[in-house]
Amino acid sequence: AQSVTQLGSHVSVSEGALVLLRCNYSSSVPPYLFWYVQYPNQGLQLLLKYTSAATLVKGINGFEAEFKKSETSFHLTKPSAHMSDAAEYFCAVKRGSNFGNEKLTFGTGTRLTIIP
Amino acid sequence: NAGVTQTPKFQVLKTGQSMTLQCAQDMNHNSMYWYRQDPGMGLRLIYYSASEGTTDKGEVPNGYNVSRLNKREFSLRLESAAPSQTSVYFCASSTRLAWETQYFGPGTRLLVL
Repeated sequence: AQSVTQLGSHVSVSEGALVLLRCNYSSSVPPYLFWYVQYPNQGLQLLLKYTSAATLVKGINGFEAEFKKSETSFHLTKPSAHMSDAAEYFCAVKRGSNFGNEKLTFGTGTRLTIIP
Repeated sequence: NAGVTQTPKFQVLKTGQSMTLQCAQDMNHNSMYWYRQDPGMGLRLIYYSASEGTTDKGEVPNGYNVSRLNKREFSLRLESAAPSQTSVYFCASSTRLAWETQYFGPGTRLLVL
């Protein structure tokens, strides 16, 4: 079974500072990995995903994540935080197969606060 | 193109009452999902439907039933609501391909008194 662990339920950074949100996964087979963002009172939307093509994945709003198999990690980064980045971020893993019944497993989320 | 829509947006129930949460998607997706979101627990899968005509239990199915009415619609029913079912419920859809994105609806906030 696959799972994800997000270290830090709350992260605060100053506007303009580096954003680093941590995600470690476990999976019995090569995984697909996703980062979703949830703005207040909204549904989730995809930030970026790793599907085995390239280990460094670029997403929307300047975010990127690097898949590191040796560390079983998929940390999310952004060089310079903006006030609009304040949201909750979820890492998710899916087993990499196409039987049509693979399910996403979500982490518990990290709430990002931006300090003016 | 509305994506994934959910109704209602907010509902208050008394313990023991029943209700159905509706979800529809217009992206011609085969797979649909129901999740609940609780503080500190992320999203947990309640039920999913890999294709029209099939449904399967997820991580937390107790107290819920689902119906895949057609390819577009997937409803979630609470037969006898309990306070433990107070949560935010999200519907999502995707193609059957494992690497494809799941698209989420705006959510339904349910309060059971």
